Amino acid sequence: AQKITQTQPGMFVQEKEAVTLDCTYDTSDPSYGLFWYKQPSSGEMIFLIYQGSYDQQNATEGRYSLNFQKARKSANLVISASQLGDSAMYFCAMRSLFSGGYNKLIFGAGTRLAVHP
Amino acid sequence: EPEVTQTPSHQVTQMGQEVILRCVPISNHLYFYWYRQILGQKVEFLVSFYNNEISEKSEIFDDQFSVERPDGSNFTLKIRSTKLEDSAMYFCANYGTPYGYTFGSGTRLTVV
Repeated sequence: AQKITQTQPGMFVQEKEAVTLDCTYDTSDPSYGLFWYKQPSSGEMIFLIYQGSYDQQNATEGRYSLNFQKARKSANLVISASQLGDSAMYFCAMRSLFSGGYNKLIFGAGTRLAVHP
Repeated sequence: EPEVTQTPSHQVTQMGQEVILRCVPISNHLYFYWYRQILGQKVEFLVSFYNNEISEKSEIFDDQFSVERPDGSNFTLKIRSTKLEDSAMYFCANYGTPYGYTFGSGTRLTVV
């Protein structure tokens, strides 16, 4: 069975510093995708970054980068130069591509990030 | 960038009543999903829908739940007889090219 684990219920970071949010996953499928979403207090789910299991390079999107370590089954999100607006809940998610079609996303429990001025 | 639109944004209903949550997906994005998030908790998969039929459903998606595309564009989630524990945020999501997974802004359902 597939599983996403986020072990940090809450994180604090000082404004302008970098922060790493941890995500480990478990799957036996050879092909899968990993996602990070941001959920601010308003509730919407905002897509941040995607990493495919066969991608050779770590994904980056602006201040977001994904530290993908396939052998360790980890996909940590790194936010550089934190801003007050980064305060939110962050979810790691995975989908399997093995069985064809576009399967459901499985989410971790989330990490609440607070950015302090 | 196109959006997935969900209505209503907030619904309060009495226990035992039926509710219908609506979603307008992105045109030509043919894979549909409903997720549920109880306040402060993880996002849980309910059901996936493709080619006008359910492709997968979770244990949460019991006989009280149903999904439809009533007019070929809207995508609805119906809860037949709501319970207090159905109170949650419900997200519609859509998958297709070129936008990948897109989530609606959610419907906050409160059962009293």
